[in-house]
Amino acid sequence: QKEVEQDPGPLSVPEGAIVSLNCTYSNSAFQYFMWYRQYSRKGPELLMYTYSSGNKEDGRFTAQVDKSSKYISLFIRDSQPSDSATYLCAMSVTSGSRLTFGEGTQLTVNP
Amino acid sequence: GAGVSQSPSNKVTEKGKDVELRCDPISGHTALYWYRQRLGQGLEFLIYFQGNSAPDKSGLPSDRFSAERTGESVSTLTIQRTQQEDSAVYLCASSSTIPGPKYQETQYFGPGTRLLVL
Repeated sequence: QKEVEQDPGPLSVPEGAIVSLNCTYSNSAFQYFMWYRQYSRKGPELLMYTYSSGNKEDGRFTAQVDKSSKYISLFIRDSQPSDSATYLCAMSVTSGSRLTFGEGTQLTVNP
Repeated sequence: GAGVSQSPSNKVTEKGKDVELRCDPISGHTALYWYRQRLGQGLEFLIYFQGNSAPDKSGLPSDRFSAERTGESVSTLTIQRTQQEDSAVYLCASSSTIPGPKYQETQYFGPGTRLLVL
């Protein structure tokens, strides 16, 4: 069983839709939770990070972590065609340690 | 400033040959990570450097894989006697203990080296 499970999609939505992406994990030692965005043939870039449980909002993006359920989510409001990319959840036990990634969800936002 | 750079961008090799992949981290970043991304899959951790020592190399899949780092600078990942299952994108990331715009020790990724073993 993988430590981090993520629905690979693909997910296709119309412009302006609310997008919900999520991951589940099995290792209760994970404390740092991240969402990376990866455009085609590029390296991943950090989009959001959360330490332990809670919510964090940054513009149109909201990240949620529920450690009791071992479940993390990323919400994208008013989605734009430029949001079309692969979204990878990642987590680590300590800050700066190795990241464990989900498989990635491929998102397409149609104009 | 310059980001993480990797070379070559693409590498095609024959089964059984050795390959060397290079990573130039962001200047001043003390930590350096190698990951592998197989087609349609998430990133898989290979090895982590702090300075030129490797406190975590538990992700290296076999003894055909090795890596070294010169000081807090360039790193080289070497794959000996390549196999077809080694075909993947090899990504390098670096991070600093100085707080970044997102959070301390954000890992910044390079564009990757696409390796194809025929």
